[in-house]
Amino acid sequence: DADVTQTPRNRITKTGKRIMLECSQTKGHDRMYWYRQDPGLGLRLIYYSFDVKDINKGEISDGYSVSRQAQAKFSLSLESAIPNQTALYFCATSDASGGSADTQYFGPGTRLTVL
Amino acid sequence: GQNIDQPTEMTATEGAIVQINCTYQTSGFNGLFWYQQHAGEAPTFLSYNVLDGLEEKGRFSSFLSRSKGYSYLLLKELQMKDSASYLCAVRDHLYNNAGNMLTFGGGTRLMVKP
Repeated sequence: DADVTQTPRNRITKTGKRIMLECSQTKGHDRMYWYRQDPGLGLRLIYYSFDVKDINKGEISDGYSVSRQAQAKFSLSLESAIPNQTALYFCATSDASGGSADTQYFGPGTRLTVL
Repeated sequence: GQNIDQPTEMTATEGAIVQINCTYQTSGFNGLFWYQQHAGEAPTFLSYNVLDGLEEKGRFSSFLSRSKGYSYLLLKELQMKDSASYLCAVRDHLYNNAGNMLTFGGGTRLMVKP
């Protein structure tokens, strides 16, 4: 079974709709992240959480919100989806130990299309 | 802030060697990662460097020069399955006052031809 899972894997929605993307992990990591990936722009950090009570904005948080429901769960919401939020979204986790142990491990991604 | 540059695309021949370069500027360097990403899939961890020098792992090696803000990923004995994007990511302990966050380059798409 995959250590980091994301649901849904694909979603098509309309402008103005509220969308939630979910991420679960069985790695026992404290840290979780949400990224979006656009062609030519690489991975950009949306939000991150270092533990259940910690939520921080990343580089591009406008239009997004998150919830850390448990150590293993971190969800991303688009309150009112717009077409330029069409992208591939990745969840990632890492251990807090530092060094190479702070490597981020990625989920399979959610392809979101906003019409 | 951080600035990471890597070539957009490279092409190489099966069985050959290819070197993918990454240059970076960052205020609080604390490690450099290379990830491999096949089209439409998740990035997967390849290598980590925090000290100067070469780290070898099978057909893949990664080099770091902190004074030059430079790293490269070396792929030997190229196989068709190595066709993928390769992402350079720098960890900066001063990022956003939070410590140890990654900033990714745009990725280098490698095409391996027969």
